[in-house]
Amino acid sequence: DAGVTQSPTHLIKTRGQQVTLRCSPKSGHDTVSWYQQALGQGPQFIFQYYEEEERQRGNFPDRFSGHQFPNYSSELNVNALLLGDSALYLCASSLSPRGGGDTQYFGPGTRLTVL
Amino acid sequence: GNSVTQMEGPVTLSEEAFLTINCTYTATGYPSLFWYVQYPGEGLQLLLKATKADDKGSNKGFEATYRKETTSFHLEKGSVQVSDSAVYFCALSPRGKLIFGQGTELSVKP
Repeated sequence: DAGVTQSPTHLIKTRGQQVTLRCSPKSGHDTVSWYQQALGQGPQFIFQYYEEEERQRGNFPDRFSGHQFPNYSSELNVNALLLGDSALYLCASSLSPRGGGDTQYFGPGTRLTVL
Repeated sequence: GNSVTQMEGPVTLSEEAFLTINCTYTATGYPSLFWYVQYPGEGLQLLLKATKADDKGSNKGFEATYRKETTSFHLEKGSVQVSDSAVYFCALSPRGKLIFGQGTELSVKP
């Protein structure tokens, strides 16, 4: 049973560029959430997708956007990168709230460095 | 609003010592509570959960009890091992998203 997978593992970008991160959920899960974890901090919720729509959003600017595909995989896009966007980006999957899911399972993360 | 406060680290213990990591929360309603563990260079792994008051979650020798009267969810283990060295995060889940504490780093020495 495959767990949550994320790609790429590491990424280096320069200020002003755009980046796309990808996530495949655990088998049987239909909901994907994204989190940003700065060094030495707890993860911060960015947004959550199910049924191909953004259902909840944390306190992040519009430069952060996402998408969910019919196979439940998801992308996180960040435009106009800032130095402060350097972090570990974590994807988590779960069953939808309608399906009674409240337990999220995390992938290994994508380490983004902005120079 | 919803928030989680954990005891500050790092916590350094000798092997076989007793572990307590304190976690208190503020929440509207009765969210599920979680402990996650993060090993160096890795993502988060679910350690245990509790979904309602007085529930006890347990896994791999770790335990935590959902205490509504003290709004706490302290993590305990009777005898830690070197392999338990990691960062531990307490979290609550209001309406499907996770809110994390700042994490507590545990270092276990042989």
